[in-house]
Amino acid sequence: KQEVTQIPAALSVPEGENLVLNCSFTDSAIYNLQWFRQDPGKGLTSLLLIQSSQREQTSGRLNASLDKSSGRSTLYIAASQPGDSATYLCAVIRDNAGNMLTFGGGTRLMVKP
Amino acid sequence: GAGVSQSPSNKVTEKGKDVELRCDPISGHTALYWYRQSLGQGLEFLIYFQGNSAPDKSGLPSDRFSAERTGGSVSTLTIQRTQQEDSAVYLCASSLQPASVPGELFFGEGSRLTVL
Repeated sequence: KQEVTQIPAALSVPEGENLVLNCSFTDSAIYNLQWFRQDPGKGLTSLLLIQSSQREQTSGRLNASLDKSSGRSTLYIAASQPGDSATYLCAVIRDNAGNMLTFGGGTRLMVKP
Repeated sequence: GAGVSQSPSNKVTEKGKDVELRCDPISGHTALYWYRQSLGQGLEFLIYFQGNSAPDKSGLPSDRFSAERTGGSVSTLTIQRTQQEDSAVYLCASSLQPASVPGELFFGEGSRLTVL
């Protein structure tokens, strides 16, 4: 059974810092890995999706990397801003499992002005 | 519609009552998913619909939970005889199938259920 773990569970940083969020998964047979953002009381917004054949994806100040063999992904946020405060979730889709995502527990990020 | 729409956004009910939660997926999306997010927990898969195929119900926690999808579009998640542990945010997502990118799901804002 696939298990996805995110560390740390919560993180508080001053504005402007670069930061890294970690995601690990137990079964390396995945189609892709996604990073989502969830604001309080809201649904999930997809940030980056890395296919299993890729090693990283970039969007603006965000960079996500994937090391499938070691079962790890990182989300790097450059020059953090208070507006980045949210919960960040990673999720994987396992090969031949339809499109069912398995989520980590999330990292709750607070960026202080 | 432009995005996945869920209703109600908030529902407070008494223990033992039945509730229905509605999801209207993005137009043209053939796959629809229900997830549950409990306080302090990750997202838990409940059920998956794909076109006219039999739904994948493997995530439903008990027989009090059921879901249907009429006409391949709108879906209703029904919880019978609600219990306090059913309190959670119920999230719906939809996607194209086959997806241009496998697993690219679009989520609604969720229905927050509180069982007193």
